[in-house]
Amino acid sequence: DTGVSQDPRHKITKRGQNVTFRCDPISEHNRLYWYRQTLGQGPEFLTYFQNEAQLEKSRLLSDRFSAERPKGSFSTLEIQRTEQGDSAMYLCASSLSSGNRNQPQHFGDGTRLSIL
Amino acid sequence: AQTVTQSQPEMSVQEAETVTLSCTYDTSESDYYLFWYKQPPSRQMILVIRQEAYKQQNATENRFSVNFQKAAKSFSLKISDSQLGDAAMYFCAYCDGGSNYKLTFGKGTLLTVNP
Repeated sequence: DTGVSQDPRHKITKRGQNVTFRCDPISEHNRLYWYRQTLGQGPEFLTYFQNEAQLEKSRLLSDRFSAERPKGSFSTLEIQRTEQGDSAMYLCASSLSSGNRNQPQHFGDGTRLSIL
Repeated sequence: AQTVTQSQPEMSVQEAETVTLSCTYDTSESDYYLFWYKQPPSRQMILVIRQEAYKQQNATENRFSVNFQKAAKSFSLKISDSQLGDAAMYFCAYCDGGSNYKLTFGKGTLLTVNP
């Protein structure tokens, strides 16, 4: 079990630039989640994949945000035209669905985004 | 919408002592999960303990145990024999049961362990 891997660990960019983050889930996990965590807050749900299908997007995910999970393996989260308010830790998690019971989510180290 | 409230922004405990972190939640569902996650500084979130709402018995994992009061919608975490490595931010989280998926987190409690 190599755990959930996220890349990069830290991204610094200027306002208005596009950024892309990658998440590699635990290999046998079919569910993948993205959360955003701002300073002093708990993580907030952004979006969720079951295999390659994106099944729900939070209202937090504006049209500048897009996530993909091609072939149901790794996932990318892209933010276009970044704004100051996008500065946060972006967490990826994965889990294995077992029948109709959900297994616990395992989190990666996160990508910290800083907008200058 | 489900909400999770952690009323203690910070707590401290002496090494080897016991501490209890509080969590309340609001839901209209009868089937759900509750979790405590630990997030050390600059490190990944780790699952500490999980409770399924249909189970009356409180979950335990070594030095960690919960007091699950379903009627009161309360889910506290007790850490016994506290160790320096327990120092972290602790998050209480809720998830609907069945095929649901997303976690709703509280704002967290920062636990300091004093030697």
